[in-house]
Amino acid sequence: AQSVTQPDIHITVSEGASLELRCNYSYGATPYLFWYVQSPGQGLQLLLKYFSGDTLVQGIKGFEAEFKRSQSSFNLRKPSVHWSDAAEYFCAVGDRGGNEKLTFGTGTRLTIIP
Amino acid sequence: DAGITQSPRHKVTETGTPVTLRCHQTENHRYMYWYRQDPGHGLRLIHYSYGVKDTDKGEVSDGYSVSRSKTEDFLLTLESATSSQTSVYFCAISNQGRNIQYFGAGTRLSVL
Repeated sequence: AQSVTQPDIHITVSEGASLELRCNYSYGATPYLFWYVQSPGQGLQLLLKYFSGDTLVQGIKGFEAEFKRSQSSFNLRKPSVHWSDAAEYFCAVGDRGGNEKLTFGTGTRLTIIP
Repeated sequence: DAGITQSPRHKVTETGTPVTLRCHQTENHRYMYWYRQDPGHGLRLIHYSYGVKDTDKGEVSDGYSVSRSKTEDFLLTLESATSSQTSVYFCAISNQGRNIQYFGAGTRLSVL
């Protein structure tokens, strides 16, 4: 069964600093990979996705993620965070076998300090 | 934003009472999902639907049932609510291909 690990429960960064959120997955092959963001009291919004091809993918709000097959990782990055980036971030993997289901990590809460 | 409406947005109920949550979509997507979100667990799939009257269990389906009589509506029912079902419930939709899911705003349910 596939699984997703987000090792950091909570991260605090200063506004303007760079950010990297970690995501590791367990899957028999290369899954579909996603990052979602959840602002307080809101639903989840898709930030970016990886299906195939270029291993560095760009998303909304200035985020990017890099797929590394050898490390089974899909880390999310942003060069300079803004106070509005404070939220919870979820990594998810999808099965290429066509069952249309996602498995989510437990999330990383991001706090931004001035 | 994907046209997904969850109702109610908030509900407080008592242990042992039945509760039904509704998810309505205007996107004509084939797949619909119900998740629950709890601290330390992320999102866990309760049930999902791959078409009208076609549903299947997720990883935390005990105590929940679902129905989908129309493409646009997916109902989640707690037959007899328990305090362990206090949670935030999210509906999601997807069209076939690559698992891209879009989420509703959630329903916060408290079972006292």
